Amino acid sequence: DAGVIQSPRHEVTEMGQEVTLRCKPISGHNSLFWYRQTMMRGLELLIYFNNNVPIDDSGMPEDRFSAKMPNASFSTLKIQPSEPRDSAVYFCASSLEFSIGEQYFGPGTRLTVT
Amino acid sequence: DAKTTQPPSMDCAEGRAANLPCNHSTISGNEYVYWYRQIHSQGPQYIIHGLKNNETNEMASLIITEDRKSSTLILPHATLRDTAVYYCIVTQDSSYKLIFGSGTRLLVRP
Repeated sequence: DAGVIQSPRHEVTEMGQEVTLRCKPISGHNSLFWYRQTMMRGLELLIYFNNNVPIDDSGMPEDRFSAKMPNASFSTLKIQPSEPRDSAVYFCASSLEFSIGEQYFGPGTRLTVT
Repeated sequence: DAKTTQPPSMDCAEGRAANLPCNHSTISGNEYVYWYRQIHSQGPQYIIHGLKNNETNEMASLIITEDRKSSTLILPHATLRDTAVYYCIVTQDSSYKLIFGSGTRLLVRP
């Protein structure tokens, strides 16, 4: 299995631009998570999907952030407009619902907003 | 979820066992102990988890004390590639929320 796939691996954009991060979960996993990691705040859960439905988006920092999961094999995290404080590494993870603590993380997208 | 306490850093020699402690004195009966690690510039990696019995898999062993107030992750023969930050997380089995604290930075020396 290829594991969780994220793209792009690196993104540099200017403040005010729209950023879209992509994730392909492990085939057969029905739970998907988006996390953000910064030096100051550590690793934070942004949103959790189960069977393509958003279950908990309480970690999404503000309305500039949105996430979708149109099917079981694809999810996006969009930031519009982006700000310098959004600079972070964004991870996608997936798991099986019955072993939801065993989450398998992708390699992350390092976002830099200038 | 119960709070965990880990030493900020540890080191061990390559080929020796690495024993990483974790205190979770407020753990409740239905909470599991999970261990993850994060190698530099990679995503976190699930290692092992347990409730009260000791567990072993191909990566590590997890020893949980009888009162469940602490646990130890054991890497039996540490290699340089085991250098990483190790996170001990306590959460309910049905919970999707993993609270990653500061972890223990393990350095494996040649």
